[in-house]
Amino acid sequence: AQTVTQSQPEMSVQEAETVTLSCTYDTSESDYYLFWYKQPPSRQMILVIRQEAYKQQNATENRFSVNFQKAAKSFSLKISDSQLGDAAMYFCAYRSPLGGANSKLTFGKGITLSVRP
Amino acid sequence: GAVVSQHPSRVICKSGTSVKIECRSLDFQATTMFWYRQFPKKSLMLMATSNEGSKATYEQGVEKDKFLINHASLTLSTLTVTSAHPEDSSFYICSAFHGAGNTIYFGEGSWLTVV
Repeated sequence: AQTVTQSQPEMSVQEAETVTLSCTYDTSESDYYLFWYKQPPSRQMILVIRQEAYKQQNATENRFSVNFQKAAKSFSLKISDSQLGDAAMYFCAYRSPLGGANSKLTFGKGITLSVRP
Repeated sequence: GAVVSQHPSRVICKSGTSVKIECRSLDFQATTMFWYRQFPKKSLMLMATSNEGSKATYEQGVEKDKFLINHASLTLSTLTVTSAHPEDSSFYICSAFHGAGNTIYFGEGSWLTVV
């Protein structure tokens, strides 16, 4: 079974600074998808970024980028130029590239990010 | 883009009654949907996989007679909490698999309070 580990329960960053959220995972599969989701106080799950394991290039979405280290099974999220609106709970997640019932997401425990003005 | 709608967003029910939560894919057909439960400041816990036209697959430890899941159409899955108790109070959130995009979309979630 796949597992996702987020060992830091909380982090804090100064506005406009950069912060990195850590995530490790365990799987015996060679192909898979990894995600970072943001969950603000509204509880809506917002997809931040997605990485396909077969792609060597790290995914980037504006101020958000990942450091995907497949051999080390590490998938960290870097938030640059942090904004107050980035304050939320962030979840790292794993899923199979297969569809249907195989598409279920496995989540880490999450990390609460606060942004200091 | 693809949207998943969940209803109601908040519901209060009396202990011992049943309450139904709907998860609807608005512009795509979803043969597979997922139901999660989330406690405050905790992660999403998968309760069951909802399969259109067949029985749901429940995760270990989830009572299938208490959390009834019905996926009778390609756009709607429902979660019914039967004989609700205060300990069932929680945030419930669904997601749907969009086959064309090989993507998961989440509903807005539902707050259940049992009094």
